Amino acid sequence: EPEVTQTPSHQVTQMGQEVILRCVPISNHLYFYWYRQILGQKVEFLVSFYNNEISEKSEIFDDQFSVERPDGSNFTLKIRSTKLEDSAMYFCASHSGTDTQYFGPGTRLTVL
Amino acid sequence: DAKTTQPTSMDCAEGRAANLPCNHSTISGNEYVYWYRQIHSQGPQYIIHGLKNNETNEMASLIITEDRKSSTLILPHATLRDTAVYYCIVYNYGQNFVFGPGTRLSVLP
Repeated sequence: EPEVTQTPSHQVTQMGQEVILRCVPISNHLYFYWYRQILGQKVEFLVSFYNNEISEKSEIFDDQFSVERPDGSNFTLKIRSTKLEDSAMYFCASHSGTDTQYFGPGTRLTVL
Repeated sequence: DAKTTQPTSMDCAEGRAANLPCNHSTISGNEYVYWYRQIHSQGPQYIIHGLKNNETNEMASLIITEDRKSSTLILPHATLRDTAVYYCIVYNYGQNFVFGPGTRLSVLP
């Protein structure tokens, strides 16, 4: 069964460093999302992406964040200058437009 | 904010049916009811969804009231591996998911 994959599973970084979280959505999907979940809190929407541009973004998705689909398979989330409060699980999701969203296993980001 | 309200937690005996309620009184006519679950800190896992009619798949059944203001997810024979946080989400295609805190289901031996 096709699935969304994410790498790395765990990323540790120093405050102020740039990180790139990678996702490979399901191959025929057209809509891509990033969500995050701070430990013990709700899953929160960050951004949606369709047709090579951002469709919608939340208040959390400020200028420090960017997304890109650099090729036909990867979908990345970049945080330019990480803060302590960026420590969270980051989930990628995708859907075809006529189906439900399928989530990846997540990347645990730890900012020291 | 999430358009749904769910109990914070529930217990269920292993082998028994788990019935998880959800209120969504402000749901609009073209919005679906989706259920996902999250085991530990894994990615949310799709369970089932419906619009008006009751639905059943290999994982669960979904009962939606006639006025669509509430629904119940039924896990017919809960196992220890069903211990998770269960999210009820009102959703229309093209939107992003808005997660509430969900119901923490504990299946007890």
